[in-house]
Amino acid sequence: QVQLVQSGGGVVQPGGSLRLSCIASGFTFSYFGMHWVRQAPGEGLDWVGFIRYDGSDQHYSDSVKGRFTIARDNSKNTVYLQMNSLRHQDTAMYYCARGPLMLYADYWGQGTLVTVSS
Amino acid sequence: IQLTQSPSFLSASVGDRVTITCRASQGIGSHLAWYQQKPGKVPDLLMYSVSTLQTGVPSRFSGSGSGTEFTLTISSLQPEDFATYYCQQSNSYPLTFGPGTRLEIK
Repeated sequence: QVQLVQSGGGVVQPGGSLRLSCIASGFTFSYFGMHWVRQAPGEGLDWVGFIRYDGSDQHYSDSVKGRFTIARDNSKNTVYLQMNSLRHQDTAMYYCARGPLMLYADYWGQGTLVTVSS
Repeated sequence: IQLTQSPSFLSASVGDRVTITCRASQGIGSHLAWYQQKPGKVPDLLMYSVSTLQTGVPSRFSGSGSGTEFTLTISSLQPEDFATYYCQQSNSYPLTFGPGTRLEIK
C-alpha cells in the first residue's frame, strides 16, 4: 500500500532553516511528482510547491518562492523540503503528497509540525 | 487563480442532499479536485478531474461543472460525511485550494 512517512519538523527561530523529509513506499516513486502542502493552525490548506517525477522542474507558491526548495532522491524514494529564512507565518503542519499526472494529491503523509517562534 | 467556495459553513442533517460550490477566478477547464478533511486528520482526495471518484469513495458523492463554476454534491448525508471540504485547481501554477466549506450536523 502507498505510504508516505514524514520527518524533520520542530521549533525554529525566525530567520532559521529546517529540512523536512518524506519517504515513500508501496509505489514506483520515480514515476510520480510530489507536492508539499501546509496548513496553519485552524486554517485551510495552502499549496507550497511541487517537484516533477524526475526532479527536473519545481514550482512554488509566491509566499515561499526564493526561500523554500523542493528536491528529491529517487534512489532513496525521498522528497525533501528545505525551508530557509523562516517566518512566523510559516508555522503550520506540513504534508507531503503524491502528485499524479493531473497534479491533484492522491496520497498524503501524516504531516509534520513546523513552529517558527523566538 | 483564486478559488472561492460557498457556503463557507453549512449545517445539515443526516439524509439531506447538500451542494457545495467552488468558483475559479478564471477558466480552469476540468482541472478541479475535491478533498475531505476531518478534524485532526490528513486530507483525503474525494474526486479529481471534476467528477472522477477516487477509489473507495462512496457513490453518494458526485461532482460537476466546467470552466469557472463547479459543484460537489452529497446525495444523502451520512454521519461520517461531516467534515471540511476543499476544492483545488491544477490548471496552472501556482496550484491553489479553496478556503474550505465546513459541514456540520444540524
